Amino acid sequence: AQSVSQHNHHVILSEAASLELGCNYSYGGTVNLFWYVQYPGQHLQLLLKYFSGDPLVKGIKGFEAEFIKSKFSFNLRKPSVQWSDTAEYFCAVRALGNEKLTFGTGTRLTIIP
Amino acid sequence: DTAVSQTPKYLVTQMGNDKSIKCEQNLGHDTMYWYKQDSKKFLKIMFSYNNKELIINETVPNRFSPKSPDKAHLNLHINSLELGDSAVYFCASSQGSSHSPLHFGNGTRLTVT
Repeated sequence: AQSVSQHNHHVILSEAASLELGCNYSYGGTVNLFWYVQYPGQHLQLLLKYFSGDPLVKGIKGFEAEFIKSKFSFNLRKPSVQWSDTAEYFCAVRALGNEKLTFGTGTRLTIIP
Repeated sequence: DTAVSQTPKYLVTQMGNDKSIKCEQNLGHDTMYWYKQDSKKFLKIMFSYNNKELIINETVPNRFSPKSPDKAHLNLHINSLELGDSAVYFCASSQGSSHSPLHFGNGTRLTVT
């Protein structure tokens, strides 16, 4: 069965700092990977996704993520965060041919102005 | 135009009551889901339907019964509500292939007193 780990539970950064949120998945076969963001009191929105090709994917709002197959990782990065990036970030994995999208436990990101 | 809409947004009710949450999507997607987000923000899949057929049924008490009258609707009925059912319930839809992202509704915050 597929599973996802996000080891950073709460990250606090100052504006303009660089961000990297960890995501590791567990599954032996081909996967599709996603990062979602949930702003306070809102629903989940897709930031970016990977399913094939270039392992470095770019998403909305200046976010990017790199798929490293050998490490089973899909870390999220942003070179310079803004106060408006304060939110909960979820990594998710979906095995090829499977309808089920499994989420990690989420990382709460707090940006200090 | 809201792509995935849920009603109600808030639901406060007493233990033992029966309640329903409705979900509709206008994206033409084949697959719909219900996720439960607990107080720690953990997202867990409950059910998934593809073209009105149940395809995912996680370990959920049988007090929870999904109903899909057509592929654009997936409702969730909960019998004999318990305190532990308090959570935010998110409906989502996707095109059904494993690299298609899920589109989420705004959530229904259920509080059982």
